[in-house]
Amino acid sequence: DSGVTQTPKHLITATGQRVTLRCSPRSGDLSVYWYQQSLDQGLQFLIQYYNGEERAKGNILERFSAQQFPDLHSELNLSSLELGDSALYFCASSGAAQAYTDTQYFGPGTRLTVL
Amino acid sequence: AQKITQTQPGMFVQEKEAVTLDCTYDTSDPSYGLFWYKQPSSGEMIFLIYQGSYDQQNATEGRYSLNFQKARKSANLVISASQLGDSAMYFCAMRDLSSGNTPLVFGKGTRLSVIA
Repeated sequence: DSGVTQTPKHLITATGQRVTLRCSPRSGDLSVYWYQQSLDQGLQFLIQYYNGEERAKGNILERFSAQQFPDLHSELNLSSLELGDSALYFCASSGAAQAYTDTQYFGPGTRLTVL
Repeated sequence: AQKITQTQPGMFVQEKEAVTLDCTYDTSDPSYGLFWYKQPSSGEMIFLIYQGSYDQQNATEGRYSLNFQKARKSANLVISASQLGDSAMYFCAMRDLSSGNTPLVFGKGTRLSVIA
């Protein structure tokens, strides 16, 4: 158990809908990262938050947004869903920004299926 | 930009034998970290081992060791005494270490199958 929790574990929805994925980082970790794993694109970084502030953006679509709350949990919002958004979405967390060797620990993932 | 290449889509190894999973990388960052993760069929990503670009010695963690050759830009994972439970996808990843916490860049992975 990495200490990172993600809910829900599975999500099945229809095209055009909106969903919210939730992540709680390991105790004490300030950074949260969201990654998408799909068959064709592999593992891709979406967005990073550090202590409530957006720190880095990757290949995140405009239909997707995220935020990190004061209690450090994070939510990834996916809207106007398309079939191609079906993927495994991971949240990862790591500790203080200046810890060079800081390892990212991953949650169990949320498997999103868009029908 | 950083890039990770894993050229072996799939590998087979006999139980109790050692296996090497290849990983080459490309980066212009002077300071970087290399990571290996394991993804079993259940889907979770499990951190295995870390190697820093300035580390003098190759990293080891139990049955896992990292064969780091900086000049060749390779960071191969060696699993000794393979077990059936080692069957999984293995991902090599890297990140820049010069500017605090940064996202990981992943390779496409290698599927390892351990045969009894």
